[in-house]
Amino acid sequence: NAGVMQNPRHLVRRRGQEARLRCSPMKGHSHVYWYRQLPEEGLKFMVYLQKENIIDESGMPKERFSAEFPKEGPSILRIQQVVRGDSAAYFCASSPPHGEETQYFGPGTRLLVL
Amino acid sequence: GENVEQHPSTLSVQEGDSAVIKCTYSDSASNYFPWYKQELGKRPQLIIDIRSNVGEKKDQRIAVTLNKTAKHFSLHITETQPEDSAVYFCAASMRGGFKTIFGAGTRLFVKA
Repeated sequence: NAGVMQNPRHLVRRRGQEARLRCSPMKGHSHVYWYRQLPEEGLKFMVYLQKENIIDESGMPKERFSAEFPKEGPSILRIQQVVRGDSAAYFCASSPPHGEETQYFGPGTRLLVL
Repeated sequence: GENVEQHPSTLSVQEGDSAVIKCTYSDSASNYFPWYKQELGKRPQLIIDIRSNVGEKKDQRIAVTLNKTAKHFSLHITETQPEDSAVYFCAASMRGGFKTIFGAGTRLFVKA
């Protein structure tokens, strides 16, 4: 059973470009969470999605950031017009349906904005 | 909303000693408390968790205690080894897939 997959593992963008981060949850998992981690800091919740629904996006910046989890395919975290402050590790986690709380993390995408 | 405080931010122990990390939470509705270990450049890995209907849980050298009245929970690592060196995060969430709020992390150094 493959774990949570994220790609790319490393992404370099210039200021003003778009960054697209992908997350494939574990097989059988229908809940996806995105977190941001700055160097030497903790995990900051961004958004919680179920298939085709955003459940809680209270941690998402109001502008430039969006997330989706379509019926088919991976969850996507999209950052438009990136700025240097967006440089961070972005982790995705997934959990099973039926209200099971345990979250399993992917390897993360390290975004560097030049 | 939920807020999780974690202490200490850095902890250095001698190999073989015990390490204790403490967390407090603010939302009394939280009922699930996982602990994650993150090695440098790696993903957070679940090491132990506890639910609100239990006061203590142990898995080999790792134990977690929960005091719901005081809204705090702790991680205890006994007989520490150099490979225990990592950043440890506590977290709190509610059953049903609600968002999980993480503490700021504790950087544990185990000196050989």
